Amino acid sequence: LAKTTQPISMDSYEGQEVNITCSHNNIATNDYITWYQQFPSQGPRFIIQGYKTKVTNEVASLFIPADRKSSTLSLPRVSLSDTAVYYCLVVNDYKLSFGAGTTVTVRA
Amino acid sequence: GAGVSQSPSNKVTEKGKDVELRCDPISGHTALYWYRQSLGQGLEFLIYFQGNSAPDKSGLPSDRFSAERTGGSVSTLTIQRTQQEDSAVYLCASSLGVPAGGGSIQYFGAGTRLSVL
Repeated sequence: LAKTTQPISMDSYEGQEVNITCSHNNIATNDYITWYQQFPSQGPRFIIQGYKTKVTNEVASLFIPADRKSSTLSLPRVSLSDTAVYYCLVVNDYKLSFGAGTTVTVRA
Repeated sequence: GAGVSQSPSNKVTEKGKDVELRCDPISGHTALYWYRQSLGQGLEFLIYFQGNSAPDKSGLPSDRFSAERTGGSVSTLTIQRTQQEDSAVYLCASSLGVPAGGGSIQYFGAGTRLSVL
């Protein structure tokens, strides 16, 4: 699995946009970029997945440049309930592997 | 059911005892996965089921670990002669159909927190 690098932590305030950038320099042609969210004492929850350009759903947007060596997860107008760990993965099969993730803390 | 259900949510056992962890996947999901999540270790793949078959058991850490799935639905992960290093959160996930092409979107349960004393 391609390794990813993302910030260990980020702080934000309610109503702000949070952007988390993930580096995946050795991403392979068949790899998809996938983000999961995890709250304490819960299992990871799928947020968004993309291959190239931009993907948007009701929760977040994912921006992927042409070289696909990085990606940015954008969470619009965060609330306190968005405080969680966010994991960036590059996957081309079923063996998901999470690193330490980015702990996002949203303050009032 | 509405989501992946795991039981028990917490299990405390003594070293050397056997434990069984249960996973009830989302109805209609043919693929089922077990993972282990330890502090500082991230998420570790254990085993993958497609229907009742386990084409990939490569992540099982030792022969003390086994898993089965019956009726294409419920799965049980069994750990025999538990050791303290088995303490972790055991997560189950399921997905619709066979992972193909890009990455599969997996839906996780809340996990079973296993503590081996």
